[in-house]
Amino acid sequence: AQKVTQAQTEISVVEKEDVTLDCVYETRDTTYYLFWYKQPPSGELVFLIRRNSFDEQNEISGRYSWNFQKSTSSFNFTITASQVVDSAVYFCALNTGFQKLVFGTGTRLLVSP
Amino acid sequence: DTEVTQTPKHLVMGMTNKKSLKCEQHMGHRAMYWYKQKAKKPPELMFVYSYEKLSINESVPSRFSPECPNSSLLNLHLHALQPEDSALYLCASSQDETSESTDTQYFGPGTRLTVL
Repeated sequence: AQKVTQAQTEISVVEKEDVTLDCVYETRDTTYYLFWYKQPPSGELVFLIRRNSFDEQNEISGRYSWNFQKSTSSFNFTITASQVVDSAVYFCALNTGFQKLVFGTGTRLLVSP
Repeated sequence: DTEVTQTPKHLVMGMTNKKSLKCEQHMGHRAMYWYKQKAKKPPELMFVYSYEKLSINESVPSRFSPECPNSSLLNLHLHALQPEDSALYLCASSQDETSESTDTQYFGPGTRLTVL
């Protein structure tokens, strides 16, 4: 069975702080894909990143970076110098095929000025 | 252009009403999805259409009836809903060449449904 755990329910930071959102996944498949989505208060799920199980390179996109470690089944997301606009719920998700995304329970990030 | 549009944005309906939610994408994607999301929960998959055919129904009650008129459009027909069906309904699409595909799903802004 596939499972995604986001242990942090809610995180509060002050603007310009760095913050890391944790994601731990479980699967027996050797080929799988991991995703992060952002859901602002407006409701739309915004795609941030897709990573396959064979690519363990860390990725950086502006203030966002992702750390994928197969040894610990983790795919953590760091926001550097957080901004108020980063306030949202962030979902980590796993897809092992057949069009089914398994979502974690989400982490609510609140960035205050 | 990764855009999925949904109408209406908000919908209030009584338990005896019939209404429809609409979703459209112009990315040439071959798979389209309906998700239901309750407050403070992750999205839950309801239906998947692949190449305009229903490929997944996650045991959704028959008061929800999906329809895929063509590869760009997806509807969700609602009839005799219950107050507990109030939720955010999200549509998504993905490229999906085969049913085993793990392509990125792109989501629309959702329809906030309230059933009175």
